[in-house]
Amino acid sequence: KNQVEQSPQSLIILEGKNCTLQCNYTVSPFSNLRWYKQDTGRGPVSLTIMTFSENTKSNGRYTATLDADTKQSSLHITASQLSDSASYICVVSEWGSGSQGNLIFGKGTKLSVKP
Amino acid sequence: EPEVTQTPSHQVTQMGQEVILRCVPISNHLYFYWYRQILGQKVEFLVSFYNNEISEKSEIFDDQFSVERPDGSNFTLKIRSTKLEDSAMYFCASNVLAGVNEQFFGPGTRLTVL
Repeated sequence: KNQVEQSPQSLIILEGKNCTLQCNYTVSPFSNLRWYKQDTGRGPVSLTIMTFSENTKSNGRYTATLDADTKQSSLHITASQLSDSASYICVVSEWGSGSQGNLIFGKGTKLSVKP
Repeated sequence: EPEVTQTPSHQVTQMGQEVILRCVPISNHLYFYWYRQILGQKVEFLVSFYNNEISEKSEIFDDQFSVERPDGSNFTLKIRSTKLEDSAMYFCASNVLAGVNEQFFGPGTRLTVL
C-alpha cells in the first residue's frame, strides 16, 4: 500500500535555530515529492516540488532533499522564525495516477518555534 | 495574487441532510480537486475533475458524494446524506496542468455534522 511516513510527529525549537524534518515513502511508481506548509485551520501551501531526478531544491530558508533510491526526503529549515510554526506535510504523487496528480499525504510534523 | 476561495468557511448540519460546499478555483486553471482532513488526521484525496468530468476518485468518494462545475467558475462538492463521520475540513485545490505542477489549495470549509 502506498504510504508516506513522517518524523518526528512534533518538534519544538527556539527561534533562530535550524531543524530537519524527515519523510519516508513507499509510493511506487514514484512521480514527484512535495513539501507543504499548513497553518492551523488553513489549506496547505506548497514549498517545494521535486521529481526523481532532483535531489535538492531550495525555497528561501527551506531546503528539501530527495533520495529516490532509499525513498527518503528531508526538509531543512534554516534560521527559524516564529512564523515557521505550522505543520509540514510531505506529499508524494504516484506516477501515472490517473495522470491527474492526486497526492498521497503524510500526517505531517507539527513544528513550534518558541522565542 | 489569484487564489482559490471556498464558501462557507464553516457549515453545521444535521445528520442525513444534504450539504453543498463551494469552491472558486483560480480562473485559468483546468484541473480541480477535493480533499478532506478529519481533525488530527492527514489530508486525504477525494476526487479530481477535468474537462467537466471526474478523472479519478478515491474509495472515500462513494455514491453519497458528487461534484459539479455548474457555471464555468464554481466547483462544488455535494454530500447527499451526511453522516457523523463526514465531519472534517474539506479543501478544494486547482492547478493549470496535472502531473508535476503545484496544486493551489483553498482555505477549506469546516463541516460539522451533528
